[in-house]
Amino acid sequence: GQNIDQPTEMTATEGAIVQINCTYQTSGFNGLFWYQQHAGEAPTFLSYNVLDGLEEKGRFSSFLSRSKGYSYLLLKELQMKDSASYLCAVKDSNYQLIWGAGTKLIIKP
Amino acid sequence: IAGITQAPTSQILAAGRRMTLRCTQDMRHNAMYWYRQDLGLGLRLIHYSNTAGTTGKGEVPDGYSVSRANTDDFPLTLASAVPSQTSVYFCASSDGHTGELFFGEGSRLTVL
Repeated sequence: GQNIDQPTEMTATEGAIVQINCTYQTSGFNGLFWYQQHAGEAPTFLSYNVLDGLEEKGRFSSFLSRSKGYSYLLLKELQMKDSASYLCAVKDSNYQLIWGAGTKLIIKP
Repeated sequence: IAGITQAPTSQILAAGRRMTLRCTQDMRHNAMYWYRQDLGLGLRLIHYSNTAGTTGKGEVPDGYSVSRANTDDFPLTLASAVPSQTSVYFCASSDGHTGELFFGEGSRLTVL
């Protein structure tokens, strides 16, 4: 079966750095997405990785290793507004998105 | 502001009733999707449409139907609602390039 694993919940301190991991086992791979979802709101796009390596976008970076079936989202200089759920999703061989259950990130002052 | 509009935002209905969730986009995206989101589970695909006039079944299609008469509209119908269909429903579209999804604000449905 297809599976996306990410931690259920993480806690970090304002101003610090946090890394949210995602491991996947899918039938084929055509890209990995990270989305942010604030409570009661819709998911919004953060990043897309299709090749190995690090993609940096401001305070957020996303890393992919296809050989290891592994990705992480790195958030720097954490702000209170970063408190949200972070969803990892993989596009499989049929170009369908398989979603992880999401990681709830709690930021403490 | 361009985007996806869903209606209703929230609805409570009795089991056995018929319900249609509406979804309209103005971005001229070809692909549209309906997901449900339940606590502790990832987004699950109900139905999708790659272009107007075509639809396909996702991971959890039973009890739901869709239509795609034109590019902009993609309604989701529950023919006879059951309590297990209590969920938050998200409509989404994509432009087919990166495959980035744009989501509506969601419809919270409670079936009693």
